Amino acid sequence: DQQVKQNSPSLSVQEGRISILNCDYTNSMFDYFLWYKKYPAEGPTFLISISSIKDKNEDGRFTVFLNKSAKHLSLHIVPSQPGDSAVYFCAASASVNFGNEKLTFGTGTRLTIIP
Amino acid sequence: EPEVTQTPSHQVTQMGQEVILRCVPISNHLYFYWYRQILGQKVEFLVSFYNNEISEKSEIFDDQFSVERPDGSNFTLKIRSTKLEDSAMYFCASLLGTGTEAFFGQGTRLTVV
Repeated sequence: DQQVKQNSPSLSVQEGRISILNCDYTNSMFDYFLWYKKYPAEGPTFLISISSIKDKNEDGRFTVFLNKSAKHLSLHIVPSQPGDSAVYFCAASASVNFGNEKLTFGTGTRLTIIP
Repeated sequence: EPEVTQTPSHQVTQMGQEVILRCVPISNHLYFYWYRQILGQKVEFLVSFYNNEISEKSEIFDDQFSVERPDGSNFTLKIRSTKLEDSAMYFCASLLGTGTEAFFGQGTRLTVV
């Protein structure tokens, strides 16, 4: 049961250009969405999040867009830098589960920035 | 910057042996989690822990698994009798409260031989 889907397993982008990573979800109870970056043999590192009451959140080079009607979110990285090369996971949680903010992760997208 | 720390970074154990994975969550966080990632697969939820009890556990978290917060700082995951399929990266995470981000540790790579 894939409640969070990342349909692109990999993405290559030229340095300096925009990287767009996509994520779809099926569970309408999800109301908090996060993007994590992960290097091999390390834990996921939080990047940016968005609550369902917003449709956009920006933090420096990173912007997350949420389209609730389409159950879709995307992460934009601009400009892309070589250090951005990593696996990016989309994750979601439901605040209705107060006391259990478990995250449901997508399968990840491996982003490679080409110098 | 506060961080979640996990020990050991790598554990090799024989099938059938017990292992304990240790975590020190961020000190003022209230919610604690274990996740795992089998090589090449997605990060999967195992168990959540709040107010000194399990809030939810996944199907993976069967009777062979247990968690404990023995002293107010450590958070442990015990696997009583390891199986080959328990080989994975195990991540501990902690969360301050509702609507905040979870912070993950660096993980423990468990190899069952």
